[in-house]
Amino acid sequence: DVKVTQSSRYLVKRTGEKVFLECVQDMDHENMFWYRQDPGLGLRLIYFSYDVKMKEKGDIPEGYSVSREKKERFSLILESASTNQTSMYLCASSNQGSPSTDTQYFGPGTRLTVL
Amino acid sequence: LAKTTQPISMDSYEGQEVNITCSHNNIATNDYITWYQQFPSQGPRFIIQGYKTKVTNEVASLFIPADRKSSTLSLPRVSLSDTAVYYCLVGPYGGDSWGKLQFGAGTQVVVTP
Repeated sequence: DVKVTQSSRYLVKRTGEKVFLECVQDMDHENMFWYRQDPGLGLRLIYFSYDVKMKEKGDIPEGYSVSREKKERFSLILESASTNQTSMYLCASSNQGSPSTDTQYFGPGTRLTVL
Repeated sequence: LAKTTQPISMDSYEGQEVNITCSHNNIATNDYITWYQQFPSQGPRFIIQGYKTKVTNEVASLFIPADRKSSTLSLPRVSLSDTAVYYCLVGPYGGDSWGKLQFGAGTQVVVTP
């Protein structure tokens, strides 16, 4: 059974802190995604990675960075957390191919609150 | 980019058919339409995908008219366990398509006894 895990279900951080959100997939997928999910806005792509050390900016990359040192792991980094980054963060992975049409497998999400 | 519009919410009773329409007026020739389902405290999961006409699987049917400017996800005889948020995704097939995928805002479907 395919599995995408995220390091935390809930996180509470303070403004200005550096925050790491970790995602691991066990499907040997090349593509990995980080999304932000907000009420009324749906899922918005923050970053996409198609290979180790490769990344592409999505729709809302400002204030975020990513790291992919191993194929199975994709990290989202908030360099200096702000209150407007309070949100649900979802990680996903898919096979090499077409990112927008191939099936994406999502993790359970991390609800981040920045105080 | 094919901006997508979905109803915010829909209510239904058990055993009824639920139809959720997604509007994508500026869909491109090589765009596909994909639907995902998200239960509370879980990530979205794939339900169905289509390009034109009708697609059916064990979970749902997807109807796409000839002009492809909208699509309708049909859930037959819903049960309480179909209560979820349903997302419409439009995007092209292609290795560089990450920049073009567009999720809708989602439709909350609530099924009551």
